[in-house]
Amino acid sequence: SQQGEEDPQALSIQEGENATMNCSYKTSINNLQWYRQNSGRGLVHLILIRSNEREKHSGRLRVTLDTSKKSSSLLITASRAADTASYFCATDAEGGSEKLVFGKGTKLTVNP
Amino acid sequence: DAGITQSPRHKVTETGTPVTLRCHQTENHRYMYWYRQDPGHGLRLIHYSYGVKDTDKGEVSDGYSVSRSKTEDFLLTLESATSSQTSVYFCATGTDYNEQFFGPGTRLTVL
Repeated sequence: SQQGEEDPQALSIQEGENATMNCSYKTSINNLQWYRQNSGRGLVHLILIRSNEREKHSGRLRVTLDTSKKSSSLLITASRAADTASYFCATDAEGGSEKLVFGKGTKLTVNP
Repeated sequence: DAGITQSPRHKVTETGTPVTLRCHQTENHRYMYWYRQDPGHGLRLIHYSYGVKDTDKGEVSDGYSVSRSKTEDFLLTLESATSSQTSVYFCATGTDYNEQFFGPGTRLTVL
């Protein structure tokens, strides 16, 4: 069953603009992660945020986590055509196991 | 891809035949996973392993079996392939921090 759900399902922006994707989940978590998948490739880990953290940065990426709302957002600033990909959030399965549950992803298109 | 290879990368097979997909890692990660990715369903866990000879079922394990005889290798077997198992299969390894690293995927078509 899906734990995380991304919103929107698809997003199209111009190069240089910021892109924001959201993820909502249902049960308590230990951490939440974001992954990127380029077309025809495997997923690549972007960032992990723990349940006791509210914000985390990595380069042009900014992730926020609101455990009271069971939601997270991924912001990509100054987007580039190379950021075109699908982005997935993943949460640890209920109980904090070593398994992850992935959302269905947001497909981001950055137009040059 | 963090030293994860999958073979074969593409396979076409017929209904009823057994199929084995192989995942090989050079990272010495304890955890290994098999997922399938289908349009509209996202990524779903089939089976995973938490050590040599230690495996457990995921969300969609029916019709699949796995084996892990060495840390480096995790095999996924479709005992009798069906058309519903046409999919892209991803292997992943995981660290103790639950960060996962994915292989390039295997595109399987069952006719």
